[in-house]
Amino acid sequence: EDQVTQSPEALRLQEGESSSLNCSYTVSGLRGLFWYRQDPGKGPEFLFTLYSAGEEKEKERLKATLTKKESFLHITAPKPEDSATYLCAVLADKLIFGTGTRLQVFP
Amino acid sequence: DAGVTQSPTHLIKTRGQHVTLRCSPISGHKSVSWYQQVLGQGPQFIFQYYEKEERGRGNFPDRFSARQFPNYSSELNVNALLLGDSALYLCASSLASVTYEQYFGPGTRLTVT
Repeated sequence: EDQVTQSPEALRLQEGESSSLNCSYTVSGLRGLFWYRQDPGKGPEFLFTLYSAGEEKEKERLKATLTKKESFLHITAPKPEDSATYLCAVLADKLIFGTGTRLQVFP
Repeated sequence: DAGVTQSPTHLIKTRGQHVTLRCSPISGHKSVSWYQQVLGQGPQFIFQYYEKEERGRGNFPDRFSARQFPNYSSELNVNALLLGDSALYLCASSLASVTYEQYFGPGTRLTVT
């Protein structure tokens, strides 16, 4: 069965304290892996698409990487405005989401 | 350019009633997908439509149905509402049927009492 697992469930960081979020997956026929940011009560906001192992994408303080079994979202020197839930989704025959990591960044 | 729009924003219904949710995709996008997101969980796939045809269906009962119109907007219908149908319903649009980047709307918050 296709599955996506994100860890940790919740993460509290001090402003400037870098960290990584993990997304591990088991899926047959991976066609792509997506990262989204979701603020409370809003729809997910697209961040990155990764298609093959070894691929990396960067945007401001965020960097996403992909291996054959997992993806990491690295957050460098986070700011309070980076506080949100970060969702990982894998595309096989449909888009399957993980349950997300709730990130809180304190000043 | 306008993003994905959904209506209504919030909705309160009683058990057993029927509900219709509406979605307008980004201009030029021909595929629309619907997701259900329960509090604390990731979105779960319900339907995908491309060029007015159903291209995918998730593990939801037949009470859930959808359609796509010639202008690529879409409706999600849910019959015989249950308390467990209370959730945020999200619509996402993408350029093509093979779903690359999907762009989500703000969602419709449905509460069933």
